[in-house]
Amino acid sequence: DAKTTQPTSMDCAEGRAANLPCNHSTISGNEYVYWYRQIHSQGPQYIIHGLKNNETNEMASLIITEDRKSSTLILPHATLRDTAVYYCIVYTGTASKLTFGTGTRLQVTL
Amino acid sequence: NAGVTQTPKFQVLKTGQSMTLQCAQDMNHNSMYWYRQDPGMGLRLIYYSASEGTTDKGEVPNGYNVSRLNKREFSLRLESAAPSQTSVYFCASRLDGNNEKLFFGSGTQLSVL
Repeated sequence: DAKTTQPTSMDCAEGRAANLPCNHSTISGNEYVYWYRQIHSQGPQYIIHGLKNNETNEMASLIITEDRKSSTLILPHATLRDTAVYYCIVYTGTASKLTFGTGTRLQVTL
Repeated sequence: NAGVTQTPKFQVLKTGQSMTLQCAQDMNHNSMYWYRQDPGMGLRLIYYSASEGTTDKGEVPNGYNVSRLNKREFSLRLESAAPSQTSVYFCASRLDGNNEKLFFGSGTQLSVL
């Protein structure tokens, strides 16, 4: 499975869009990009995923570059409840080692 | 539908003691995983299981054993606990196939004194 690189931390003002980048330059053609978040010490929670097209759901939007080497998770109107660690990982549909990096710690402030 | 259930939620051990962390899922998932998370750190994969009866090492398997006796349950055993194993342990599962996300349990906080 491809490795990912994310900034260690980011700040965002409440009500503004939070844009979290992820590099996955060694991604293979059949690997999906998944985003999860972990609030405090709870179990990580799924946010969104995609293969090559941009995706949107009730929580966020995912923008994947055309070469698929990077992606951006967008929280359109960040709230204090979005303060969490966000993980980007890539994997295929078959069972495999699913390894997480250290993620990005997003702090949403008033 | 309870999802992924971990027991216990908290545990304190003395160095050298043994214990088993239990994980069960009721979603008929094929793959199951054990992760540990040290304070301020990301998740590190200990072991995973692609199906009943099969297990594979992850990034940090030393000091642990696992067992996948049936499709529902995946247990993690510490034979001789060490202070370095103080951590929060998360179990996760998913179906195989594309568009299949991971579901996580709520974690077990383990302290080894």
